[in-house]
Amino acid sequence: DTVLTQTPLSSPVTLGQPASISCRSSQSLVHSDGNTYLSWLQQRPGQPPRLLIYKISNRFSGVPDRFSGSGAGTDFTLKISRVEAEDVGIYYCMQATQFPPTFGGGTKVEIK
Amino acid sequence: QVQLVQSGAEVKKPGASVKVSCKASGYTFTTYYMHWVRQAPGQGLEWMGIINPTGGGTTYGEKFQGRVTMTRDTSTSTVYMELNSLRSEDTAVYYCAIYYGGNSAFDYWGQGTLVTVSS
Repeated sequence: DTVLTQTPLSSPVTLGQPASISCRSSQSLVHSDGNTYLSWLQQRPGQPPRLLIYKISNRFSGVPDRFSGSGAGTDFTLKISRVEAEDVGIYYCMQATQFPPTFGGGTKVEIK
Repeated sequence: QVQLVQSGAEVKKPGASVKVSCKASGYTFTTYYMHWVRQAPGQGLEWMGIINPTGGGTTYGEKFQGRVTMTRDTSTSTVYMELNSLRSEDTAVYYCAIYYGGNSAFDYWGQGTLVTVSS
């Protein structure tokens, strides 16, 4: 299975400051159809995960534009331009290029 | 609007079985495969398997082969996940989820079902 490694494990951030999360894959996530099926999910305490970003950099409906995704091949990044209190939670990257789909271990974003 | 509504929390003894349901609404049930993902307390997300609601075909994660069965009832737009031979390590929140937008990303999730395995 494809292993996704997220760093850091925890990211204490000051309100209004940026945050960045890295996701590295054990193999290329470029699908034979040319797409890269790497997505980012946010999980607030006590809630199911919520889709933020799909195919590396596309924001899902209703997701604020302070969230952005980038990367290619095996290295990907989620950035929050200015962290707000509601952004506290755990963030997961997920790949669906290779079967079975797999998730990164998660990064906890908390307010300093 | 798309909704996935799961059954309520369960408490089971080791060795028992549990069956969790996921009722879909707001879309054509047979259009989208249903996945199951679980999350142990304080842990990350783990993919369990997938069911094709049209023909009922399934693919299970290697870890769950022989212990999990996913079925569906098209008349009620409901998918079921049954896990047998429960052990304490199966204590987790179980989610159903779909790739609705066609982008191979989990854009809709059920609310989760907590299964507690304890003697």
